Amino acid sequence: DTEVTQTPKHLVMGMTNKKSLKCEQHMGHRAMYWYKQKAKKPPELMFVYSYEKLSINESVPSRFSPECPNSSLLNLHLHALQPEDSALYLCASSQDQTGTYGYTFGSGTRLTVV
Amino acid sequence: GNSVTQMEGPVTLSEEAFLTINCTYTATGYPSLFWYVQYPGEGLQLLLKATKADDKGSNKGFEATYRKETTSFHLEKGSVQVSDSAVYFCALIQGAQKLVFGQGTRLTINP
Repeated sequence: DTEVTQTPKHLVMGMTNKKSLKCEQHMGHRAMYWYKQKAKKPPELMFVYSYEKLSINESVPSRFSPECPNSSLLNLHLHALQPEDSALYLCASSQDQTGTYGYTFGSGTRLTVV
Repeated sequence: GNSVTQMEGPVTLSEEAFLTINCTYTATGYPSLFWYVQYPGEGLQLLLKATKADDKGSNKGFEATYRKETTSFHLEKGSVQVSDSAVYFCALIQGAQKLVFGQGTRLTINP
């Protein structure tokens, strides 16, 4: 298995809703990442987990809450989002946090906040 | 800090044309270099990589050579196809720091 699987592919949520994005990989990678990508821009790093511990939080608002239940799973919990949070959310993984051999990205969750 | 500069797009070519997308970087030491491709409505796919100077990464007819002396990693393909239409991102990583992306180059291939 050489994929990162993200669910759902599309999500529409209201500003008072609570939802979660899920990411799964079975490549034995020990680093996992959440990125946010706006249209016509490169991805922006949000969070890094290394060996299931949060190692980098890029000053992301607390309405985004990451969780790494085990080495294969990564969640992003969403609460009280704003319309400007609408974007493509990408999960990625790498063998370790050095990322020397590249990251494997999922196909993303396209989030619309209404 | 580390940075990546890509040629501005969009780039429009005819099928079977030669493609070059320029990428230069700024980094101390020896980063690993990557090209990622993003097809419409999809996530990023690793297209090719090079981990040390003079390495040539190649995949699907695309090539890029890690040039330390010119701090460059230009993407080339000899004959593009309509299916190559996508956004291409040059990127680097060094140590346990974050992956640094260029701004992306949108490529459109006309039949």
